[in-house]
Amino acid sequence: DTAVSQTPKYLVTQMGNDKSIKCEQNLGHDTMYWYKQDSKKFLKIMFSYNNKELIINETVPNRFSPKSPDKAHLNLHINSLELGDSAVYFCASSQTVSPSYEQYFGPGTRLTVT
Amino acid sequence: AQSVAQPEDQVNVAEGNPLTVKCTYSVSGNPYLFWYVQYPNRGLQFLLKYITGDNLVKGSYGFEAEFNKSQTSFHLKKPSAIVSDSALYFCAVRDIRNFNKFYFGSGTKLNVKP
Repeated sequence: DTAVSQTPKYLVTQMGNDKSIKCEQNLGHDTMYWYKQDSKKFLKIMFSYNNKELIINETVPNRFSPKSPDKAHLNLHINSLELGDSAVYFCASSQTVSPSYEQYFGPGTRLTVT
Repeated sequence: AQSVAQPEDQVNVAEGNPLTVKCTYSVSGNPYLFWYVQYPNRGLQFLLKYITGDNLVKGSYGFEAEFNKSQTSFHLKKPSAIVSDSALYFCAVRDIRNFNKFYFGSGTKLNVKP
């Protein structure tokens, strides 16, 4: 069973469109994240939810809206896509309290905006 | 502010030779440190962590890392590199004041030549 899964794996769309990426974790973790990895492989935190509550909201355009229907799922909706949104988006999860302090990552969603 | 730095964009090593990938950190208090590996077109995989205890921690695939408090370093090491170790390696630190926030380094590309 995949611990952290994302769909879709690839997403090609045109500027101005709206798209969503879904993430699910079956690890029982209480915290989930969205990261953006740019073409230089730099990893940037976007959002984090703890037990469905938004706890980290970095400087991200309002066009990006996360939603967590339950603590096992965290989705990312992007409105009015722009060329600069092209990147790989990773979902991750972690547990706030020990024993497992590390994050677990999904396989990524490669978004290409044309 | 919490941060980690990976001073080398790329490390080249011959197969069979020892490898070191460098990481330095800046935190207030005791650090929670991690190494992750990213293979092409994959998500990040957890390798090892330092939370407390022995300064030499062992992880997956024969990797180990040495925590050095006086030098604020957490270098990743392997006694004998193999070609399949070639990947992108990230160092990360967990924010002890906002425990659900992680800071990642810029990544180091490891090339192991046959």
